Amino acid sequence: EAGVTQSPTHLIKTRGQQATLRCSPISGHTSVYWYQQALGLGLQFLLWYDEGEERNRGNFPPRFSGRQFPNYSSELNVNALELEDSALYLCASSLEETQYFGPGTRLLVL
Amino acid sequence: QKEVEQNSGPLSVPEGAIASLNCTYSDRGSQSFFWYRQYSGKSPELIMFIYSNGDKEDGRFTAQLNKASQYVSLLIRDSQPSDSATYLCAVRLDTGRRALTFGSGTRLQVQP
Repeated sequence: EAGVTQSPTHLIKTRGQQATLRCSPISGHTSVYWYQQALGLGLQFLLWYDEGEERNRGNFPPRFSGRQFPNYSSELNVNALELEDSALYLCASSLEETQYFGPGTRLLVL
Repeated sequence: QKEVEQNSGPLSVPEGAIASLNCTYSDRGSQSFFWYRQYSGKSPELIMFIYSNGDKEDGRFTAQLNKASQYVSLLIRDSQPSDSATYLCAVRLDTGRRALTFGSGTRLQVQP
């Protein structure tokens, strides 16, 4: 069974640009979560999508947004990039309570 | 006060010893508790989860939960150098939302 996949693996942007990160969940999983892991910090919850709808969001500004598609894959968009957005962005999927993580997208904002 | 607290370490143990990793949480209503392992530069991988008070064993790993004292621990028996990683404790705080709240992790070093 294929795990959670994310693309791209690395992304380099400049301040003010927009970044789009993609995630495909494990087959059969309907929930997708996005987390940010900045250097030296723990995982911070960003967004939770389930059945195509945003169910909850963490304490992040509105320039962090996303969506979930009918096939349950998901996209995270970060607008007006700031230097402190440089981090590892992790996507996780679940069917019930247990979350399984993808390999992450490492975003560098210059 | 952080919602989920872990000692950042590093916790250094000799090969073959028992490594004990601890985590405390602030919300008494917490429902589910997870341990993830994260190697440097990689994503977290699930080790095990526990919902009920007491011990839960899976191979060399034992999770212990004490809801009255609001702590959860992970014991690793017969520690191996390959166990050297950061161990993340995660708690699900709200039954209505299924996001996890993570501690900042404990770095474990197993010395050969």
